[in-house]
Amino acid sequence: KQEVTQIPAALSVPEGENLVLNCSFTDSAIYNLQWFRQDPGKGLTSLLLIQSSQREQTSGRLNASLDKSSGRSTLYIAASQPGDSATYLCAVRAGGGNKLTFGTGTQLKVEL
Amino acid sequence: DAEITQSPRHKITETGRQVTLACHQTWNHNNMFWYRQDLGHGLRLIHYSYGVQDTNKGEVSDGYSVSRSNTEDLPLTLESAASSQTSVYFCASSDGGRDRGIVNHQPQHFGDGTRLSIL
Repeated sequence: KQEVTQIPAALSVPEGENLVLNCSFTDSAIYNLQWFRQDPGKGLTSLLLIQSSQREQTSGRLNASLDKSSGRSTLYIAASQPGDSATYLCAVRAGGGNKLTFGTGTQLKVEL
Repeated sequence: DAEITQSPRHKITETGRQVTLACHQTWNHNNMFWYRQDLGHGLRLIHYSYGVQDTNKGEVSDGYSVSRSNTEDLPLTLESAASSQTSVYFCASSDGGRDRGIVNHQPQHFGDGTRLSIL
């Protein structure tokens, strides 16, 4: 059974700092990995989707990398801003079909 | 703009009652999903559908049912609500072919959730 772990569970950083969020998964036979952002009381917003054949994806200040063989992904946030404060979730799609297995998330707070 | 909407946003009910949560998407996506989110467990898949008349059980399907009579809607029913089903429920959809054997590489889009309290 696929298990997805995110460390740390919570993180507080000063504004402007570059930071890395970690995601690990137990079964490396995945099709893709997706990073989401969740604001309090809201649904999930898709940030980046990395296919299994890709090593990284970039969108603005966000960069996600994937090392399938070691079962790891990282989300790099450059020059963090208070508006980046949210919970970040990673999810992997494995096996046939479209089901996602989620990590429990990293709660990020960027302070002024 | 296309979107996915859930209703109601909040609901309080009593144990034993039947409850139905609505999910409606206007993207014309074939794939729809229901998840529940609980502290310490993350999001867990309840049921999913790859198209009209298709439904499948997820990881935590006991006590829940879904039906897919059209492309836009996937209502989630709690047959007899239990306190353990108090949670936040999210609906999601993604684009893809009708053949479930085809791996879908499109991202899932989520609704804003329904907070359900069962007393």
